[in-house]
Amino acid sequence: GAVVSQHPSWVICKSGTSVKIECRSLDFQATTMFWYRQFPKQSLMLMATSNEGSKATYEQGVEKDKFLINHASLTLSTLTVTSAHPEDSSFYICSASQGAGYTEAFFGQGTRLTVV
Amino acid sequence: GQNIDQPTEMTATEGAIVQINCTYQTSGFNGLFWYQQHAGEAPTFLSYNVLDGLEEKGRFSSFLSRSKGYSYLLLKELQMKDSASYLCAVTASGGSYIPTFGRGTSLIVHP
Repeated sequence: GAVVSQHPSWVICKSGTSVKIECRSLDFQATTMFWYRQFPKQSLMLMATSNEGSKATYEQGVEKDKFLINHASLTLSTLTVTSAHPEDSSFYICSASQGAGYTEAFFGQGTRLTVV
Repeated sequence: GQNIDQPTEMTATEGAIVQINCTYQTSGFNGLFWYQQHAGEAPTFLSYNVLDGLEEKGRFSSFLSRSKGYSYLLLKELQMKDSASYLCAVTASGGSYIPTFGRGTSLIVHP
């Protein structure tokens, strides 16, 4: 399958600082990228969907000013958690798809964010 | 919206067979995925069903009945490394191919 690289794998930051997470598709063009958040023993909750070159579509309840998503190229999307707080501590996972009509999306390795 | 239900936890013995069920209600249906997720890692794709019937892939098989809103993942010859969470995900029709995930079934394989 295709490879999606997510970086960093884990990060610890102080409350009030911002953290950027990168998601790269290494061997295919990702027209669409998805960002998920997963709390312990919970399901993956979709945060937002981003299409290359356009603004991200956020799910209800997700603050777009807090979770900034940029999808400037067909191989890179970034999620920036601004002014992070301890309740933002979670496992963040991206997945990438070649777009509508492609059944499978490929996941990055995930980023464990801990805000202290 | 979509509602996906699967058991929270299952245990099984090494070498045995286990069946993980998933039921769903969705407005329109465009396919069902099964993913495996080890603790602290991202999910990995196992199977995709869009038509009724059984899809076999090595030790893993996945079954779908669209009329019943039901799927199962069958794992044969269980190995210790199969201990993981198994996620059922459904995509709805209507142009969106974004999968909605169930809570996952935590499978514990013991010797």
